[in-house]
Amino acid sequence: GAVVSQHPSWVICKSGTSVKIECRSLDFQATTMFWYRQFPKQSLMLMATSNEGSKATYEQGVEKDKFLINHASLTLSTLTVTSAHPEDSSFYICSGSLGGLGYGYTFGSGTRLTVV
Amino acid sequence: QKEVEQDPGPLSVPEGAIVSLNCTYSNSAFQYFMWYRQYSRKGPELLMYTYSSGNKEDGRFTAQVDKSSKYISLFIRDSQPSDSATYLCAIEGGANNLFFGTGTRLTVIP
Repeated sequence: GAVVSQHPSWVICKSGTSVKIECRSLDFQATTMFWYRQFPKQSLMLMATSNEGSKATYEQGVEKDKFLINHASLTLSTLTVTSAHPEDSSFYICSGSLGGLGYGYTFGSGTRLTVV
Repeated sequence: QKEVEQDPGPLSVPEGAIVSLNCTYSNSAFQYFMWYRQYSRKGPELLMYTYSSGNKEDGRFTAQVDKSSKYISLFIRDSQPSDSATYLCAIEGGANNLFFGTGTRLTVIP
């Protein structure tokens, strides 16, 4: 089945530094990638939707200058958390669309970010 | 009104029990319904994907959609401790437009 590989699975960084999270679709071309954030015991919160080769669309309240999303190819999307602060500590998950309505979505394994 | 509503639980059942997980949704035009399972500190994995009304069975899992009531269910038969996870319902509201429930945390006690 379709697999999205997400790295790193966990990362600890110092406040003020930037962290990059990668998601690769291994056996399909993800025209659209979604980035979610999840706090403990809460559901997924959509942060942004990115289409290959174009700018990401951010959800209301998500700072696009802080969470930089790049989707330069059909198999790779990255999320960079810039100037990270402790409140950015969370679980970040990417998801790839398998082709539009009715085709389904597959998720990465998630990245636990801790900012100290 | 939220697009999808799900009882967050938590839900604890003894091993071997039948588990019923449910969601309601607001838009009668929705036609694609999914259930995901998420283990702690992992990404969600797709369990069941159904289109329109009716039942779909896969092993111990049955997904049910009642469009007249705007109600979807996931049944787990002969529940196992390994089924302990958070179960999220999701509804596709259009291409690349996915609405998630809040998730129900399930614990199956040996």
